[in-house]
Amino acid sequence: DVKVTQSSRYLVKRTGEKVFLECVQDMDHENMFWYRQDPGLGLRLIYFSYDVKMKEKGDIPEGYSVSREKKERFSLILESASTNQTSMYLCASSSRRLSNQPQHFGDGTRLSIL
Amino acid sequence: GQNIDQPTEMTATEGAIVQINCTYQTSGFNGLFWYQQHAGEAPTFLSYNVLDGLEEKGRFSSFLSRSKGYSYLLLKELQMKDSASYLCAVRENGGFKTIFGAGTRLFVKA
Repeated sequence: DVKVTQSSRYLVKRTGEKVFLECVQDMDHENMFWYRQDPGLGLRLIYFSYDVKMKEKGDIPEGYSVSREKKERFSLILESASTNQTSMYLCASSSRRLSNQPQHFGDGTRLSIL
Repeated sequence: GQNIDQPTEMTATEGAIVQINCTYQTSGFNGLFWYQQHAGEAPTFLSYNVLDGLEEKGRFSSFLSRSKGYSYLLLKELQMKDSASYLCAVRENGGFKTIFGAGTRLFVKA
């Protein structure tokens, strides 16, 4: 079974802090994604990566950065956290080799910025 | 622009059949996915369509019409555990980026 593990289920941080969200997958997937999920807005793509050290902006990259130093790990960084970044953050991975393969999601991190 | 539309909420009765519709307008098309998401949990994969027609998987079926930009998810013999959100998602050309709809919350009542 594919396992995508996010480092925290719940996280509370203060405005202005630098926040790191970690994601690890164990299926040797090339593609990794970070989304945020807000009520009524669905899943919105923040950043994705299709290979080590590669990254592409998604639809809402402002205020975020990412790091992919190893194939299995994809980190999301909030450079200076703000209250409007309070959300559920979901990490996902998928194989690039087979076009019919879905994304596999972690359990999510519910982040609150006070 | 890119847009995926699906109803916000639906209610159905245990044992019945329900159809959740999804219409999409995207800059490219390389497959449509349906995911199920229970409250507080991660989305899990249900079905994939890339060619027109019906794909059946047990109690769940999914239909695609590429010319109409339309898909539906059909759930038969509804069970209480089917109460969840159902997400329609379209993968664009190139294979990496996937656009998600806002999801349809399905309530199954006894």
